[in-house]
Amino acid sequence: GAVVSQHPSWVICKSGTSVKIECRSLDFQATTMFWYRQFPKQSLMLMATSNEGSKATYEQGVEKDKFLINHASLTLSTLTVTSAHPEDSSFYICSVLAGGSSSYNEQFFGPGTRLTVL
Amino acid sequence: GQNIDQPTEMTATEGAIVQINCTYQTSGFNGLFWYQQHAGEAPTFLSYNVLDGLEEKGRFSSFLSRSKGYSYLLLKELQMKDSASYLCAVMDSNYQLIWGAGTKLIIKP
Repeated sequence: GAVVSQHPSWVICKSGTSVKIECRSLDFQATTMFWYRQFPKQSLMLMATSNEGSKATYEQGVEKDKFLINHASLTLSTLTVTSAHPEDSSFYICSVLAGGSSSYNEQFFGPGTRLTVL
Repeated sequence: GQNIDQPTEMTATEGAIVQINCTYQTSGFNGLFWYQQHAGEAPTFLSYNVLDGLEEKGRFSSFLSRSKGYSYLLLKELQMKDSASYLCAVMDSNYQLIWGAGTKLIIKP
């Protein structure tokens, strides 16, 4: 399967600052990547679908001006949390959509980034 | 609306067998996935079912009944390292994953 990395693994920042999280597909050219957020003891929540070379598609309730996504290449997508606040503290996970058959599109996950906003 | 239901928590004994159930209601169906997630880590893929029946993979098996909107994950010969959350996810008609909240499995010696 695809190998996906995220950087940083964890970050602590002050309220009001911006944080950039990188998601890299190390051995697979990913046209589509997903960004998820997971609060403690809750399900993964899809934030947005990142498509290489085009604008990301955001899920309802996710502010696109606050969570900036850039998918400039087939191996890199970035999520920038702008003007972060304590309620943005969460576990952010990216995944890469792989598979040539429309009946089996497996997602390979990055290790996640733990964001804590003070 | 779309909904995935699975028990919040289960407890089992090392060496035993445990079955984790998942029921779903989604707009369309393009397969059901089971993932394992250890605390503080991203999910890892366990199984994929798109046709009815049982898929066996070592100590883990997954079953699907599309007519009943039902799946289960069966774990045999439980080991302490199996203590984790198990997430059920269904791919809907738009090929997006709809996630359950996960079942926390506690293994006791």
